Amino acid sequence: GAVVSQHPSRVICKSGTSVKIECRSLDFQATTMFWYRQFPKQSLMLMATSNEGSKATYEQGVEKDKFLINHASLTLSTLTVTSAHPEDSSFYICSATDIQGASRYGYTFGSGTRLTVV
Amino acid sequence: DAKTTQPTSMDCAEGRAANLPCNHSTISGNEYVYWYRQIHSQGPQYIIHGLKNNETNEMASLIITEDRKSSTLILPHATLRDTAVYYCIVRVNNAGNMLTFGGGTRLMVKP
Repeated sequence: GAVVSQHPSRVICKSGTSVKIECRSLDFQATTMFWYRQFPKQSLMLMATSNEGSKATYEQGVEKDKFLINHASLTLSTLTVTSAHPEDSSFYICSATDIQGASRYGYTFGSGTRLTVV
Repeated sequence: DAKTTQPTSMDCAEGRAANLPCNHSTISGNEYVYWYRQIHSQGPQYIIHGLKNNETNEMASLIITEDRKSSTLILPHATLRDTAVYYCIVRVNNAGNMLTFGGGTRLMVKP
């Protein structure tokens, strides 16, 4: 089955620094990747949709200059949280699929990244 | 995508069947019913999906009513490892269509 690898699984950073999260599709080519954020005891909220080779589409209220998304290849998308602040502390999750997978099981999710900004 | 309504939480005894309901009264004819679950501090995991017919796989069964306005996910023999938040999502079946998560049902399997 489709596998999505996400790194790092957890990261602690100082306020004002930037953090990069990687999302890789290991055994398929992901034309579209999605980035979600989840605060404690809440559901997943979509942040942005990323298509290979083009600019990401951000959801309302998500700052594109703060959450930089790069989808340079069909197997890798990165999310960079720039100038992180404590309120950015959250669980970040990516998901991806190929065209075949979307019709069979929707999307495969990464294991998530727990970001803590101190 | 159509909205879904699920109970906030449910308990189930280990070894018994867990029946998780979902209402999706505004579902469109081309929308599928998907079920995912999220174990604590992990990414969501696909369980099953269907359009009109009942579906079964190694993880669960999905029962969809004839009018498609509701469905039930059945875990036939719940184990402690099935403790998770279960999300019922309806969506059109194409690659560019995102998944919109509601509140889900927090299933607690108890010994």
